[in-house]
Amino acid sequence: SQQGEEDPQALSIQEGENATMNCSYKTSINNLQWYRQNSGRGLVHLILIRSNEREKHSGRLRVTLDTSKKSSSLLITASRAADTASYFCANPQETSGSRLTFGEGTQLTVNP
Amino acid sequence: DGGITQSPKYLFRKEGQNVTLSCEQNLNHDAMYWYRQDPGQGLRLIYYSQIVNDFQKGDIAEGYSVSREKKESFPLTVTSAQKNPTAFYLCASKGQLNSPLHFGNGTRLTVT
Repeated sequence: SQQGEEDPQALSIQEGENATMNCSYKTSINNLQWYRQNSGRGLVHLILIRSNEREKHSGRLRVTLDTSKKSSSLLITASRAADTASYFCANPQETSGSRLTFGEGTQLTVNP
Repeated sequence: DGGITQSPKYLFRKEGQNVTLSCEQNLNHDAMYWYRQDPGQGLRLIYYSQIVNDFQKGDIAEGYSVSREKKESFPLTVTSAQKNPTAFYLCASKGQLNSPLHFGNGTRLTVT
């Protein structure tokens, strides 16, 4: 069963605005990963945050992790039309990290 | 360039026929995965393999089969026993422990 859940399911913003997506999970994790998927393509890894980290940055991306609330958020600052995509969080189901469980994703639309 | 190649991009089959989807990687990764994605939904794990000549069922393995005879290749067969095979199929690979997944660009299978 899917353990990660993204919120909102869909988000529509104007270019230049910030976009925030949230993810909740059910089990203990040693890391949480965010991926992006353009329509009809494979997923691309964006950022991995470990359980002992609270915040991580990569370019215009900022990810936070709150293990006490079992939640994570992805912030995209100064959004561009090219950021239009689906965004998924994923967490390993086991300590070995061999099985990764994905949420249902947030569909982000950035209007020019 | 290193990566994962899925072929073909589009595949059409008649109901009752088995069909095999190809997945090849040159990343020297030990682990490989097959996911299924239905419209507007997240990814569901079909099968995965952590090493050559070994594989495990995922969450929705019924009606599917795999083999892992070579490190580089992890073909997926969709059998006639799969009740609703029309979907987007994604192959992925992973290197070391708790590292992110690398995805191919998917095969869209339509069965009529």
